[in-house]
Amino acid sequence: GIQVEQSPPDLILQEGANSTLRCNFSDSVNNLQWFHQNPWGQLINLFYIPSGTKQNGRLSATTVATERYSLLYISSSQTTDSGVYFCAGGVENSWGKFQFGAGTQVVVTP
Amino acid sequence: GAGVSQSPSNKVTEKGKDVELRCDPISGHTALYWYRQRLGQGLEFLIYFQGNSAPDKSGLPSDRFSAERTGESVSTLTIQRTQQEDSAVYLCASSFSSAGTSGYTFGSGTRLTVV
Repeated sequence: GIQVEQSPPDLILQEGANSTLRCNFSDSVNNLQWFHQNPWGQLINLFYIPSGTKQNGRLSATTVATERYSLLYISSSQTTDSGVYFCAGGVENSWGKFQFGAGTQVVVTP
Repeated sequence: GAGVSQSPSNKVTEKGKDVELRCDPISGHTALYWYRQRLGQGLEFLIYFQGNSAPDKSGLPSDRFSAERTGESVSTLTIQRTQQEDSAVYLCASSFSSAGTSGYTFGSGTRLTVV
């Protein structure tokens, strides 16, 4: 199966800072999602983004499918952005089944 | 309902006992997925249902694990003869289509502890 590598594994930010999280795939993916898992364990879907760029408030994501990577941008970070960010790639010929990365642990300090 | 509902939220069981976990997807979502998350780790795919098609069971770790879903409604994940390594959070998600074009919505999970 495909390998999903996320970087950095950990990130500490001061409130108001910007950051970029990266997700690399070992093979082509036909679907891609970004999730935020809050400190209480709830997973929230941030973006469904197989290609191109999307924005939602202070968050935006870009996927370059031909180069097998995706980026998540957090601007003007807030303490509520703390948690773990996961990317997940859809496996070819297995619609709906996603391979998750190990996540990036983000801590935003006041 | 408005979201994906999982029950129980927490389950403590003795090693060797069977457990049944329940997932109630968002109404109208045809696809349903089970994942497992061990402490501090990412999510492992277990099984995927799409409508009345045969489920993709390729992620089930052993024959002690099974899951059922009737039509496009509730799903149950059963773990027989539980072992300590089964301790994890079991997460259920649903989506509108098998192509995942709408992305997943996850439930809050069932935290299973095997003692």
